[in-house]
Amino acid sequence: DFVMTQTPLSLSVTPGQPASISCKSSQSLEHSDGKTYLYWYVQKPGQSPQLLIYEVSSRFSGVPDRISGSGSGTDFTLEISRVEAEDVGVYYCMQGRTFGQGTKVEVK
Amino acid sequence: EVQLVQSGAEVKKPGESLKISCKGSGYSFTNYWIGWVRQMPGKGLEWMGIIYPGDSDTRYSPSFQGQVTISADKSISTAYLQWRSLKASDTAMYYCAKSRESDSWPFDYWGRGTLVTVSS
Repeated sequence: DFVMTQTPLSLSVTPGQPASISCKSSQSLEHSDGKTYLYWYVQKPGQSPQLLIYEVSSRFSGVPDRISGSGSGTDFTLEISRVEAEDVGVYYCMQGRTFGQGTKVEVK
Repeated sequence: EVQLVQSGAEVKKPGESLKISCKGSGYSFTNYWIGWVRQMPGKGLEWMGIIYPGDSDTRYSPSFQGQVTISADKSISTAYLQWRSLKASDTAMYYCAKSRESDSWPFDYWGRGTLVTVSS
């Protein structure tokens, strides 16, 4: 089965500064249909998870363009160009049926 | 508007049975997978299993196979997660979520969660 490894596991960022989270898969996520099913979610305090990015780099409805995803094969990255207070939460990457461990983002 | 409305919190004793629900609306319920995700207190997300309501095709994570049953009633657009005999270790928040596409599993919309507490 796939193993998804996120780093770092926690991050403290000053508002207005960038943040980056890495997600590495134990196997290539490039599917035979040509798509790469790497998704990113955020779980804000007291809320259910919400989709940010699908298929590596496509923003879901309502996600601001300061949040972006990139990568290929086994290495993927979520970037927030300018962190805001509302970005506090735990970020998870996901493939198919496997979640990463989560990265807790705190805003100083 | 897509909505997944989950049943309310439950408090149960070890050994009791339980069935929680997730009602979908705002989309074609039979044409997207519905999955269940466990979150134990203070922990991360664990994928439990998934069902395609159109034909009841169901898949389980090896970790949850035999421990829970996932089902769906497409006539009322509702998916279920069921336990025959609860354990204290089943205490967790359980989320349902729908697939973003009809032919792949990753989720887009999530329910608000059902908190299950198992305690003697």
